[in-house]
Amino acid sequence: DIQMTQSPFSLSASVGDRVTITCRASQGIRNDLGWFQQPPGKAPKRLIYAASSLQSGVPSRFSGSGSGTEFTLTISSLQPEDFAAYYCLQYNSYPFTFGQGTKLEIK
Amino acid sequence: EVQLVESGGGLVQPGGSLRLSCAASGFTFSSQWMSWARQRPGKGLEWVANIKRDGSEKNYVDSVKGRFTISRDNAKNSLYLQMNSLRAEDTAMYYCACGGWFDYWGQGTLVAVSS
Repeated sequence: DIQMTQSPFSLSASVGDRVTITCRASQGIRNDLGWFQQPPGKAPKRLIYAASSLQSGVPSRFSGSGSGTEFTLTISSLQPEDFAAYYCLQYNSYPFTFGQGTKLEIK
Repeated sequence: EVQLVESGGGLVQPGGSLRLSCAASGFTFSSQWMSWARQRPGKGLEWVANIKRDGSEKNYVDSVKGRFTISRDNAKNSLYLQMNSLRAEDTAMYYCACGGWFDYWGQGTLVAVSS
């Protein structure tokens, strides 16, 4: 199985900050990776697919990059509604696997 | 607008069965792979299963193989997850999602396995 190692586990930041979350795959997955946001008590929502393609309707402050084994999600200027948990997902091979998650909290 | 509404969750004893349903609207159901994921209380997300557009291919995480069965009815725009031989560790919120890559998610249905 492909292991997805996500970091950091938690992150404290302020409105307006730029933040970066990283996922590392245990083997190459090309660009078969998505990023998801899950607000507290709500369902997840996809932000990014194919490593760097922005989901329709998602604000442009979100961006993704990477290929192979190293991937990043960047939020350029944090807004109050961005404080949530974030997960990466590899869909290169079965079983699909999520990263452990990053909890983004208000400083 | 894509809508996915899960139902069928509840409290069940270990060894019991449940059938989850997911009613889909707002997109061409028969053209999309469909997926299930779950989230144990206070934990991260876990991919459970997916099914091809015509139902001809199904994939499962190892921990549910032989116990869970994913299926679909394209005439009814519905996705299902038959869960047998349930264990305490199956306790989770179960989400259905449109697309093989989790394009859109439902709100989830809660399954609790306990005596």
